[in-house]
Amino acid sequence: GESVGLHLPTLSVQEGDNSIINCAYSNSASDYFIWYKQESGKGPQFIIDIRSNMDKRQGQRVTVLLNKTVKHLSLQIAATQPGDSAVYFCAERYAGNQFYFGTGTSLTVIP
Amino acid sequence: NAGVTQTPKFQVLKTGQSMTLQCAQDMNHNSMYWYRQDPGMGLRLIYYSASEGTTDKGEVPNGYNVSRLNKREFSLRLESAAPSQTSVYFCASSERLAGVEQFFGPGTRLTVL
Repeated sequence: GESVGLHLPTLSVQEGDNSIINCAYSNSASDYFIWYKQESGKGPQFIIDIRSNMDKRQGQRVTVLLNKTVKHLSLQIAATQPGDSAVYFCAERYAGNQFYFGTGTSLTVIP
Repeated sequence: NAGVTQTPKFQVLKTGQSMTLQCAQDMNHNSMYWYRQDPGMGLRLIYYSASEGTTDKGEVPNGYNVSRLNKREFSLRLESAAPSQTSVYFCASSERLAGVEQFFGPGTRLTVL
Protein backbone atom coordinates (compact mmCIF):
# COMPACT_ATOMS: atom_id res chain seq x y z
CA GLY A 1 0.00 0.00 0.00
CA GLU A 2 0.87 3.63 -0.09
CA SER A 3 3.23 5.02 2.43
CA VAL A 4 4.03 8.57 3.30
CA GLY A 5 7.36 8.21 1.55
CA LEU A 6 6.56 5.27 -0.77
CA HIS A 7 3.71 4.85 -3.20
CA LEU A 8 1.54 2.24 -4.81
CA PRO A 9 1.07 3.62 -8.31
CA THR A 10 -2.31 2.29 -9.43
CA LEU A 11 -5.50 0.62 -8.34
CA SER A 12 -8.24 -0.41 -10.74
CA VAL A 13 -11.78 -1.25 -9.62
CA GLN A 14 -15.05 -1.99 -11.34
CA GLU A 15 -17.74 0.64 -11.15
CA GLY A 16 -20.01 -0.12 -8.24
CA ASP A 17 -17.40 -2.04 -6.28
CA ASN A 18 -15.82 -0.79 -3.10
CA SER A 19 -12.29 0.64 -3.21
CA ILE A 20 -9.70 0.44 -0.50
CA ILE A 21 -6.64 2.65 -0.60
CA ASN A 22 -3.95 2.09 1.96
CA CYS A 23 -1.34 4.27 3.56
CA ALA A 24 1.44 3.42 6.00
CA TYR A 25 2.83 6.15 8.19
CA SER A 26 5.92 6.26 10.32
CA ASN A 27 5.40 9.00 12.89
CA SER A 28 3.55 7.71 15.92
CA ALA A 29 3.33 11.28 17.29
CA SER A 30 1.15 12.54 14.41
CA ASP A 31 -2.16 13.81 15.75
CA TYR A 32 -4.24 13.98 12.56
CA PHE A 33 -4.37 12.01 9.35
CA ILE A 34 -5.96 13.39 6.24
CA TRP A 35 -7.02 12.04 2.85
CA TYR A 36 -6.97 14.15 -0.29
CA LYS A 37 -8.27 13.52 -3.79
CA GLN A 38 -6.48 15.02 -6.76
CA GLU A 39 -8.03 14.87 -10.19
CA SER A 40 -5.85 15.24 -13.24
CA GLY A 41 -4.75 18.83 -13.75
CA LYS A 42 -6.40 20.06 -10.56
CA GLY A 43 -5.40 20.89 -7.04
CA PRO A 44 -5.85 18.47 -4.14
CA GLN A 45 -9.28 18.35 -2.54
CA PHE A 46 -9.82 17.50 1.11
CA ILE A 47 -11.89 14.36 1.61
CA ILE A 48 -11.83 13.43 5.26
CA ASP A 49 -9.61 13.54 8.30
CA ILE A 50 -9.29 11.44 11.42
CA ARG A 51 -7.83 12.33 14.75
CA SER A 52 -5.24 9.99 16.20
CA ASN A 53 -7.47 9.06 19.14
CA MET A 54 -10.09 7.62 16.80
CA ASP A 55 -10.18 4.29 14.96
CA LYS A 56 -12.83 5.02 12.37
CA ARG A 57 -14.58 7.94 10.81
CA GLN A 58 -17.26 7.96 8.16
CA GLY A 59 -18.21 10.52 5.60
CA GLN A 60 -20.35 10.49 2.53
CA ARG A 61 -19.48 7.17 0.81
CA VAL A 62 -16.05 7.19 2.44
CA THR A 63 -14.71 5.61 5.57
CA VAL A 64 -11.26 6.10 7.03
CA LEU A 65 -9.78 3.49 9.32
CA LEU A 66 -6.79 4.08 11.53
CA ASN A 67 -4.75 1.28 13.04
CA LYS A 68 -2.17 2.82 15.30
CA THR A 69 -0.73 -0.53 16.32
CA VAL A 70 0.65 -1.12 12.84
CA LYS A 71 0.69 2.54 11.79
CA HIS A 72 -1.74 2.00 8.96
CA LEU A 73 -4.44 4.20 7.47
CA SER A 74 -6.99 3.24 4.86
CA LEU A 75 -9.63 5.00 2.82
CA GLN A 76 -12.64 2.99 1.77
CA ILE A 77 -14.86 4.31 -0.99
CA ALA A 78 -18.25 2.65 -1.28
CA ALA A 79 -19.92 2.00 -4.63
CA THR A 80 -17.06 3.51 -6.60
CA GLN A 81 -18.11 5.74 -9.47
CA PRO A 82 -16.26 6.98 -12.57
CA GLY A 83 -15.99 10.40 -10.93
CA ASP A 84 -13.90 8.80 -8.21
CA SER A 85 -11.04 8.23 -10.66
CA ALA A 86 -8.18 10.33 -9.32
CA VAL A 87 -4.99 10.20 -7.31
CA TYR A 88 -5.60 9.78 -3.60
CA PHE A 89 -2.94 10.63 -1.08
CA CYS A 90 -2.74 10.68 2.66
CA ALA A 91 -1.10 13.24 4.87
CA GLU A 92 -0.22 13.38 8.53
CA ARG A 93 0.09 16.32 10.85
CA TYR A 94 3.06 16.21 13.16
CA ALA A 95 4.21 18.56 15.91
CA GLY A 96 0.98 20.51 15.66
CA ASN A 97 1.85 22.41 12.51
CA GLN A 98 3.95 20.19 10.20
CA PHE A 99 2.46 18.14 7.41
CA TYR A 100 3.92 15.20 5.53
CA PHE A 101 2.21 14.23 2.33
CA GLY A 102 2.30 10.85 0.63
CA THR A 103 2.89 10.43 -3.07
CA GLY A 104 -0.50 8.98 -3.84
CA THR A 105 -2.36 6.04 -5.35
CA SER A 106 -3.97 6.43 -8.74
CA LEU A 107 -7.48 5.00 -8.72
CA THR A 108 -9.05 4.04 -12.04
CA VAL A 109 -12.71 3.08 -12.16
CA ILE A 110 -13.61 0.69 -14.94
CA PRO A 111 -17.14 1.24 -16.27
CA ASN B 1 -17.29 31.96 -4.18
CA ALA B 2 -14.19 31.07 -6.20
CA GLY B 3 -12.19 29.52 -3.35
CA VAL B 4 -8.46 29.69 -4.08
CA THR B 5 -7.37 31.12 -7.40
CA GLN B 6 -3.89 31.10 -8.91
CA THR B 7 -2.30 32.83 -11.86
CA PRO B 8 -0.81 31.97 -14.24
CA LYS B 9 -1.79 28.37 -14.97
CA PHE B 10 1.26 27.69 -17.10
CA GLN B 11 4.61 29.43 -17.41
CA VAL B 12 7.88 28.76 -19.18
CA LEU B 13 10.97 30.61 -18.02
CA LYS B 14 14.59 30.65 -19.01
CA THR B 15 17.22 30.09 -16.36
CA GLY B 16 17.86 33.31 -14.50
CA GLN B 17 14.51 34.93 -15.25
CA SER B 18 12.23 36.04 -12.47
CA MET B 19 8.52 35.79 -11.98
CA THR B 20 5.78 36.06 -9.40
CA LEU B 21 3.02 33.52 -8.87
CA GLN B 22 -0.19 35.06 -7.61
CA CYS B 23 -2.68 33.49 -5.22
CA ALA B 24 -5.91 34.79 -3.75
CA GLN B 25 -8.60 33.27 -1.54
CA ASP B 26 -12.09 34.55 -0.82
CA MET B 27 -12.90 32.38 2.22
CA ASN B 28 -11.58 34.84 4.79
CA HIS B 29 -8.95 32.31 5.85
CA ASN B 30 -6.15 33.40 8.12
CA SER B 31 -3.44 31.03 6.91
CA MET B 32 -2.01 30.52 3.46
CA TYR B 33 0.63 28.19 2.04
CA TRP B 34 2.77 27.58 -1.01
CA TYR B 35 3.63 24.00 -1.97
CA ARG B 36 5.47 22.40 -4.82
CA GLN B 37 4.58 19.00 -6.26
CA ASP B 38 7.19 16.98 -8.08
CA PRO B 39 6.83 13.55 -9.72
CA GLY B 40 7.26 10.71 -7.26
CA MET B 41 7.19 13.03 -4.28
CA GLY B 42 4.54 14.31 -1.94
CA LEU B 43 3.66 17.98 -1.62
CA ARG B 44 6.44 19.96 -0.02
CA LEU B 45 5.89 23.22 1.81
CA ILE B 46 7.87 26.20 0.51
CA TYR B 47 6.56 29.05 2.65
CA TYR B 48 3.52 29.73 4.72
CA SER B 49 1.75 32.67 6.31
CA ALA B 50 0.00 32.01 9.59
CA SER B 51 -1.87 35.31 9.41
CA GLU B 52 -1.78 38.62 7.62
CA GLY B 53 1.58 40.25 8.18
CA THR B 54 3.56 37.10 8.94
CA THR B 55 5.48 34.67 6.76
CA ASP B 56 7.71 31.73 7.59
CA LYS B 57 9.91 29.25 5.79
CA GLY B 58 8.74 25.75 5.13
CA GLU B 59 10.67 22.67 4.14
CA VAL B 60 12.12 23.93 0.83
CA PRO B 61 12.37 27.76 0.87
CA ASN B 62 15.65 28.26 -0.97
CA GLY B 63 15.30 30.28 -4.18
CA TYR B 64 11.88 31.66 -3.26
CA ASN B 65 10.41 34.67 -1.53
CA VAL B 66 6.84 35.41 -0.52
CA SER B 67 4.63 38.36 0.27
CA ARG B 68 1.38 38.30 2.18
CA LEU B 69 -0.08 41.35 0.53
CA ASN B 70 -3.29 41.35 2.58
CA LYS B 71 -5.55 38.74 4.09
CA ARG B 72 -6.66 37.53 0.66
CA GLU B 73 -3.44 37.46 -1.32
CA PHE B 74 -0.19 35.53 -0.96
CA SER B 75 2.40 35.70 -3.73
CA LEU B 76 5.46 33.56 -4.44
CA ARG B 77 8.45 35.04 -6.22
CA LEU B 78 11.30 33.32 -7.98
CA GLU B 79 14.11 35.85 -8.24
CA SER B 80 16.40 33.84 -10.52
CA ALA B 81 14.75 30.72 -11.82
CA ALA B 82 16.67 27.45 -12.02
CA PRO B 83 15.77 24.18 -13.79
CA SER B 84 15.41 22.55 -10.35
CA GLN B 85 12.40 24.81 -9.81
CA THR B 86 10.49 23.15 -12.61
CA SER B 87 7.43 21.90 -10.78
CA VAL B 88 3.74 22.35 -10.18
CA TYR B 89 3.06 24.99 -7.55
CA PHE B 90 -0.03 24.98 -5.39
CA CYS B 91 -1.33 27.67 -3.13
CA ALA B 92 -3.57 26.64 -0.26
CA SER B 93 -5.43 28.26 2.59
CA SER B 94 -6.96 27.21 5.89
CA GLU B 95 -8.96 28.92 8.60
CA ARG B 96 -6.08 28.77 11.02
CA LEU B 97 -2.45 27.72 10.95
CA ALA B 98 -2.04 24.01 10.31
CA GLY B 99 -5.74 23.46 9.93
CA VAL B 100 -6.22 19.94 8.65
CA GLU B 101 -8.72 21.04 6.02
CA GLN B 102 -6.69 22.98 3.51
CA PHE B 103 -8.22 24.37 0.35
CA PHE B 104 -6.00 24.24 -2.70
CA GLY B 105 -5.86 26.29 -5.85
CA PRO B 106 -5.70 24.72 -9.33
CA GLY B 107 -1.92 25.02 -9.54
CA THR B 108 0.70 26.66 -11.74
CA ARG B 109 2.79 24.41 -13.95
CA LEU B 110 6.22 26.01 -14.25
CA THR B 111 8.97 24.90 -16.58
CA VAL B 112 12.44 26.41 -16.32
CA LEU B 113 14.65 25.80 -19.34
